Amino acid sequence: GAVVSQHPSWVICKSGTSVKIECRSLDFQATTMFWYRQFPKQSLMLMATSNEGSKATYEQGVEKDKFLINHASLTLSTLTVTSAHPEDSSFYICSAEGAWSYEQYFGPGTRLTVT
Amino acid sequence: LAKTTQPISMDSYEGQEVNITCSHNNIATNDYITWYQQFPSQGPRFIIQGYKTKVTNEVASLFIPADRKSSTLSLPRVSLSDTAVYYCLVGQIGNNFNKFYFGSGTKLNVKP
Repeated sequence: GAVVSQHPSWVICKSGTSVKIECRSLDFQATTMFWYRQFPKQSLMLMATSNEGSKATYEQGVEKDKFLINHASLTLSTLTVTSAHPEDSSFYICSAEGAWSYEQYFGPGTRLTVT
Repeated sequence: LAKTTQPISMDSYEGQEVNITCSHNNIATNDYITWYQQFPSQGPRFIIQGYKTKVTNEVASLFIPADRKSSTLSLPRVSLSDTAVYYCLVGQIGNNFNKFYFGSGTKLNVKP
């Protein structure tokens, strides 16, 4: 149980285009999901907290107009990287918190490459 | 926010017990301590979580002293497949969710 999926697992896009990444909690409802970014050989960096039915809360330094987050249901949050540039190339990971504990369940990640 | 400090890397051999210590001097009263494991190009995987004293599950033990300013993850009899990065996290509980800020983690290298 407590499985989180991400789609796609990897994506290559051209500079200037937008890319949407989906995060789903497959067997539980998650009122809160989190989005992280991880550059090679670095740690995960929290980008934003996604709350179902309300606006996301972004961490300092993260551009909310560039990284659009939508949490329309209790099992789905989406991250859209708008007008992507090569410096946005990274590993994007989402997580969802179960209501029964303070454990976060992480997705497998999405590798974004912007050419 | 409670910041965590861990050794950057550790080496071990198969079959040994590995102890990874994490320092979190300004941990708050309502903070839990959680450890995650991450393999390359994968999302982190939950290992263990605790608040105080000792917690044990099927894969690890977590030791937390009374002052809670540090914690030690103990991995019994490691194998090559335990080579990974281990993150110690101190989370803000309450307010309906638990935000995690990842530190640098400890790269564990298990040798044959």
